[in-house]
Amino acid sequence: DAMVIQNPRYQVTQFGKPVTLSCSQTLNHNVMYWYQQKSSQAPKLLFHYYDKDFNNEADTPDNFQSRRPNTSFCFLDIRSPGLGDAAMYLCATSRDPGRGEKLFFGSGTQLSVL
Amino acid sequence: AQSVAQPEDQVNVAEGNPLTVKCTYSVSGNPYLFWYVQYPNRGLQFLLKYITGDNLVKGSYGFEAEFNKSQTSFHLKKPSALVSDSALYFCAVRPNTDKLIFGTGTRLQVFP
Repeated sequence: DAMVIQNPRYQVTQFGKPVTLSCSQTLNHNVMYWYQQKSSQAPKLLFHYYDKDFNNEADTPDNFQSRRPNTSFCFLDIRSPGLGDAAMYLCATSRDPGRGEKLFFGSGTQLSVL
Repeated sequence: AQSVAQPEDQVNVAEGNPLTVKCTYSVSGNPYLFWYVQYPNRGLQFLLKYITGDNLVKGSYGFEAEFNKSQTSFHLKKPSALVSDSALYFCAVRPNTDKLIFGTGTRLQVFP
């Protein structure tokens, strides 16, 4: 089945040690999103790509970066994780959100920072 | 400011009873409206959406939602709840030209 795949499901890193989370999709969707979700709160949008165009949210810390080398893959890099960055990170895709297309979410990566 | 409100942190219902999870919004224009469900340690799954047309929208797993423009509400409903419906439910609104705005979520607990 076509889907959004996130690896790994669980990631443990040390305070200040760079970490990369990955997301791939077989849906061939134009738009890919990264959300941060803490303790069953509402997902918070960090940034998104519309094709190769990168859109950063104004309140996303500089510590968070993203790469999208091709349509299928998108990466979230956290340069120096702090304890406050422990969260579930959700990747999502959409074909045409401007027409009300739904988002397809991956299962998420639960990040722990020690 | 544009916002989505889910006034109940938790809704408890007995299996077999009808359920309602409330959502109201405050956005300009004619937004797109969505419901997503999240099971423990999983990503969000799409349930249903309202774009235009009939105010009653039917979605996955027997859920439906009613759009009320005058009350700016989009409440999620199901005639007969199942224990397996227990999960976290998010209402989301997309203003016509902007990104998705999520509500704070409502935890649905269905008791046997």
